[in-house]
Amino acid sequence: DGGITQSPKYLFRKEGQNVTLSCEQNLNHDAMYWYRQDPGQGLRLIYYSQIVNDFQKGDIAEGYSVSREKKESFPLTVTSAQKNPTAFYLCASKTNTEAFFGQGTRLTVV
Amino acid sequence: DAKTTQPPSMDCAEGRAANLPCNHSTISGNEYVYWYRQIHSQGPQYIIHGLKNNETNEMASLIITEDRKSSTLILPHATLRDTAVYYCIVRVPNRASNYKLTFGKGTLLTVNP
Repeated sequence: DGGITQSPKYLFRKEGQNVTLSCEQNLNHDAMYWYRQDPGQGLRLIYYSQIVNDFQKGDIAEGYSVSREKKESFPLTVTSAQKNPTAFYLCASKTNTEAFFGQGTRLTVV
Repeated sequence: DAKTTQPPSMDCAEGRAANLPCNHSTISGNEYVYWYRQIHSQGPQYIIHGLKNNETNEMASLIITEDRKSSTLILPHATLRDTAVYYCIVRVPNRASNYKLTFGKGTLLTVNP
């Protein structure tokens, strides 16, 4: 089935370690997105990519990095520079009319 | 993209219609209204979108005012499974500059038994 897959669903890391969240889509969409969601809050845009080998910072890019080497994949690295990394992370891909979301990765940094 | 304003929360009785409002007073002529919902700890799900005519699908109806400055998402017979955060966004489809897809805080709809 076509869709967008995030893995893992839950992730635990020690403070100071970098961690990479996976996002894969087989929908043949050009545009992909990463969002962060904190309890009781809306979605905040971290990074987005319109096409392979290109990406732009969203509203809260500090402490994060991404790559877009393949159309299907848009991994997000949460670096040690991110002050409050514990959150729910959502990946999405988009057609011209509709966005499709993964089921999210809940990252906990201890 | 035009900014949207939604109430932070609403309650609805099971089996009754849920009417979720959204204000978008700065909407431009070629911007569509989109609705998504997010059930707790899941990714958001597309519901419906429209330009100026009322729209209906198997999930909901969308009523857009004649001046297009506001809209209402209607869930005709709300169930407990409709409890979720509902997001209203406005954007122009098919425009490259609109790739920055942003969401607000949405409305938490709680359907009560």
